[in-house]
Amino acid sequence: EVQLVETGGSLVQPGKSLKLTCATSGFTFSNAWMHWVRQSPEKQLEWVAQIKAKSNNYATYYAESVKGRFTISRDDSKSSVYLQMNSLKEEDTAIYYCNWAWDYWGQGVMVTVSS
Amino acid sequence: DIQMTQSPASLSASLGETVTIECRASEDIYNGLAWYQQKPGKSPQLLIYNANSLHTGVPSRFSGSGSGTQYSLKINSLQSEDVASYFCQQYYDYPYTFGAGTKLELK
Repeated sequence: EVQLVETGGSLVQPGKSLKLTCATSGFTFSNAWMHWVRQSPEKQLEWVAQIKAKSNNYATYYAESVKGRFTISRDDSKSSVYLQMNSLKEEDTAIYYCNWAWDYWGQGVMVTVSS
Repeated sequence: DIQMTQSPASLSASLGETVTIECRASEDIYNGLAWYQQKPGKSPQLLIYNANSLHTGVPSRFSGSGSGTQYSLKINSLQSEDVASYFCQQYYDYPYTFGAGTKLELK
């Protein structure tokens, strides 16, 4: 059974950093292209970032709204994908989902950026 | 960026009715389109991919169609369990973008 479990969500002040983790199981993670997608309090979905597999040189892609502030990475030995979020803004407040193949989604983790 | 304009924003329909949700892309996305269903407090669930391919396990009353810049999701014979929000998404080009969603309620 495919599972994706996000952790690391929290209440954080603007300008601070936070790192999300998505631990996966049930599929060949090393071959998987992984995404982070977020959903704002207004329910709008926004694709955040993607990381491809080793065979694709771990290529990464980002939404313009997070480019330069967020970094997606992976550890194939742990079947996990990460999202390092720096210089957080109030508009980054959202539920963050980990996703594989658009088919499998984690349960989501809440990130609240507020002073 | 490719903009996805989804309509209507909300929809009220009766059980057994057929409903259609539209999505218009700001440029040709060559069928690189998915439809998702999301129920309150849950993650989105894939319904349709490549514009018209039904995802495994999705009831056949759901169907997708369209090409170029115009796409639609049709739900035949609406069931109570179909009450949810629906989103389109283009994955033809980066950055991948979603429509604003359609909230489907029972009349």
